[in-house]
Amino acid sequence: QLQLQESGPGLVRPSETLSLTCTVSGGSINTGTFYWGWIRQPPGKGLEWIGSVYYTGSTYYNPSLKTRVAISVATSKSHFSLNLSSVTAADTAVYYCARHQTLAAGLAYWGQGTLVTVSS
Amino acid sequence: SYVLTQPPSVSVAPGETAKINCGGNNIGSKSVHWYQQKPGQAPVLVIYYDSDRPSGIPDRFSGSNSGNTATLTISRVEAGDEADYYCQVWDSSSDHVVFGGGTKLTVL
Repeated sequence: QLQLQESGPGLVRPSETLSLTCTVSGGSINTGTFYWGWIRQPPGKGLEWIGSVYYTGSTYYNPSLKTRVAISVATSKSHFSLNLSSVTAADTAVYYCARHQTLAAGLAYWGQGTLVTVSS
Repeated sequence: SYVLTQPPSVSVAPGETAKINCGGNNIGSKSVHWYQQKPGQAPVLVIYYDSDRPSGIPDRFSGSNSGNTATLTISRVEAGDEADYYCQVWDSSSDHVVFGGGTKLTVL
């Protein structure tokens, strides 16, 4: 059974870069034509897609975050990563990683999520 | 950018049928996916490609999509169905995933 697990600092200072990793187990990033995505959810609010990366490294980003986001995949290490620069309090959220089979497909597998708080 | 509109809340008595709408411009031409999210948990895909159910999802959950509205229907609602529900599409014109604002289903 495929499992995804987010990891990274739970507290980030304003103006710094938020960095998270999603480790994939029970399957491999570089087998099959899958997309690996990041989604976030501010406390008490709805879901916001951040971006997705294809196993080849091609990326797709939310236009509202595009200038601050970088998502990369490390197939040999079975993980993919999120970097979000110049964070503010508005970036405080639970961050989820997930997998979709195609860009138009549903997100069938999700990590449990990790809360990142932006505060000095 | 593409916008999906959901009602903030829907209430239904146990055993009744709940319908949650997701509105979008010509959404019938897109594939719609639905997620259930309970407090403190990650979302779970309950309907994909408008009307397909992942394994393990009860057949009480069904979906439809036509024109400017997609609908998630939950038949014979149970207390355990109380959750937030989100619709989602891929907007091919701008290459990004779009979520609706979410609907809180309350079982009376």
